Amino acid sequence: AQTVTQSQPEMSVQEAETVTLSCTYDTSESDYYLFWYKQPPSRQMILVIRQEAYKQQNATENRFSVNFQKAAKSFSLKISDSQLGDAAMYFCAYRSGPGSGTYKYIFGTGTRLKVLA
Amino acid sequence: GAGVSQSPRYKVAKRGQDVALRCDPISGHVSLFWYQQALGQGPEFLTYFQNEAQLDKSGLPSDRFFAERPEGSVSTLKIQRTQQEDSAVYLCASSLGLRETQYFGPGTRLLVL
Repeated sequence: AQTVTQSQPEMSVQEAETVTLSCTYDTSESDYYLFWYKQPPSRQMILVIRQEAYKQQNATENRFSVNFQKAAKSFSLKISDSQLGDAAMYFCAYRSGPGSGTYKYIFGTGTRLKVLA
Repeated sequence: GAGVSQSPRYKVAKRGQDVALRCDPISGHVSLFWYQQALGQGPEFLTYFQNEAQLDKSGLPSDRFFAERPEGSVSTLKIQRTQQEDSAVYLCASSLGLRETQYFGPGTRLLVL
């Protein structure tokens, strides 16, 4: 079975600085998808970034980028120029590829990000 | 609607009561997922639908949990004879298709006393 581990329960970053959130996963599959979701206190989960395992290029969305290391099964999220609105819980999630027959997400336990003014 | 909506947002139930949680997916989204999020934890999968067909219910913790989507749009998660351990946030997500990115609703916070 696949597992997702987020080893940092909480992280802090100064406004305008850069922070990296860690995520590792365990799988025997070669085709899968990885996601980072943000969950502000209002609890609406928002997609931050998505990575297909077959793509070697790291995904980027504005100030958010990932460092995807497939061999190491690592998928970290880098937030550049941190803003107060980035404060939230961040969840890493895994989904098996289309050949697996399952489409559920497997989530980590989350990292709470605090942004200091 | 613009996003996934869920109702009620908060529900307090006495142990042993039955509850029904509703999810309205994004218009046109044929796939719908339910997750349970305990306090301080990540969401855990419960079940998902493709249109009205329930394709996977392997995550439902007991036979007290039942989900339906009779017309392939709105879905209801029903919990019978609620227990204290059922207290959690129940998240609904929808997607254009099973392979597409899931978009989440705000959740229903259930507290069983």
